[in-house]
Amino acid sequence: AQSVAQPEDQVNVAEGNPLTVKCTYSVSGNPYLFWYVQYPNRGLQFLLKYITGDNLVKGSYGFEAEFNKSQTSFHLKKPSALVSDSALYFCAVRDLRRDDKIIFGKGTRLHILP
Amino acid sequence: ETGVTQSPTHLIKTRGQQVTLRCSSQSGHNTVSWYQQALGQGPQFIFQYYREEENGRGNFPPRFSGLQFPNYSSELNVNALELDDSALYLCASSSDLAGNTIYFGEGSWLTVV
Repeated sequence: AQSVAQPEDQVNVAEGNPLTVKCTYSVSGNPYLFWYVQYPNRGLQFLLKYITGDNLVKGSYGFEAEFNKSQTSFHLKKPSALVSDSALYFCAVRDLRRDDKIIFGKGTRLHILP
Repeated sequence: ETGVTQSPTHLIKTRGQQVTLRCSSQSGHNTVSWYQQALGQGPQFIFQYYREEENGRGNFPPRFSGLQFPNYSSELNVNALELDDSALYLCASSSDLAGNTIYFGEGSWLTVV
């Protein structure tokens, strides 16, 4: 079965420092991977996706993610964190074999400390 | 701005009642799916509609049902509401090209008392 795992419930980073939010995946076939962000009392906003091609994917708000096939990881990164990046981040995989549904991780809460 | 709008944004229902949540997708997005996000959890897939027919369903009972209309709008209906149905309900839409981004609405907060 397709799945993603986010091993950290919360990540704390000082403003201006680089940040990483971890995600590992388990899929059959080619992975279609996504990152979404959720601000308090809001819906999900698309950040970036990996379908194929370059392993380093650039997305919105200065975020990027690195697809690593050997480690089955898709970690979200940003070189310099902003306080406004504080939110809940979800890694997700799209199951194209059936349903075409998105399977989400449990989420990682990112706190950027001023 | 995702082009996906949901209504109502908040509502309170009593256990046993029925509720209808609505979603309006972008023009051309012929796939719509619904997700339930309980407090502190990731979204869980309820079902998906493609060209007005259900073509996938998650682990939700039949009292969760839906409709998709030709004008890119859709509904989620929940009958016999239970306390555990309290959650944020998210509508998502996309076009039918595999791998295309799925866009989410802001959600409808349902509280069952």
